[in-house]
Amino acid sequence: QQQVKQSPQSLIVQKGGIPIINCAYENTAFDYFPWYQQFPGKGPALLIAIRPDVSEKKEGRFTISFNKSAKQFSLHIMDSQPGDSATYFCAASMGSAGNNRKLIWGLGTSLAVNP
Amino acid sequence: DAGITQSPRYKITETGRQVTLMCHQTWSHSYMFWYRQDLGHGLRLIYYSAAADITDKGEVPDGYVVSRSKTENFPLTLESATRSQTSVYFCASSEYNEQFFGPGTRLTVL
Repeated sequence: QQQVKQSPQSLIVQKGGIPIINCAYENTAFDYFPWYQQFPGKGPALLIAIRPDVSEKKEGRFTISFNKSAKQFSLHIMDSQPGDSATYFCAASMGSAGNNRKLIWGLGTSLAVNP
Repeated sequence: DAGITQSPRYKITETGRQVTLMCHQTWSHSYMFWYRQDLGHGLRLIYYSAAADITDKGEVPDGYVVSRSKTENFPLTLESATRSQTSVYFCASSEYNEQFFGPGTRLTVL
């Protein structure tokens, strides 16, 4: 049973476009929602993360929007560049309450930004 | 070198052989994880460890064995490799929420 559902599976945008990747979760005990970025041949790396006490967080061109009532969160990439082409994973965990640091992962979105 | 390392980076083995994948981290993080990554399945947790001598099963533990006698090392052993275990394996460590991943080991079982 997948607890974090991610969409779309793949996404192609033109340079300068704003790709949006969506995730939905089921467990209301989750309180930490990170996005990881993975380039081919590399391990995933944390991109940005949010807690449910805020509705939006920005870091550079990357923004997380969080809707607690809908149990959804999304990643927006402003002014996307070819170098943003990667696979993006959303995840969730019971960060402060859980004692195992486990992340529940979405299945990933392969993003291609065309020049 | 500081960080998290995995060895070997590439491994080809035959069905039935025992294979051990190594993971070493220099941060003294308490938590360590093993994932496998397969197309269409994302990252699936195999085993994790909260501290030395404490390990627990993840989502797909069958066919794998782990140990953690030292905080910095978390080896993953395939006791009798099967073709279905062909995958890319990632080790990760964390102290708080962020997980830090190694570069991965690409394992092919023939």
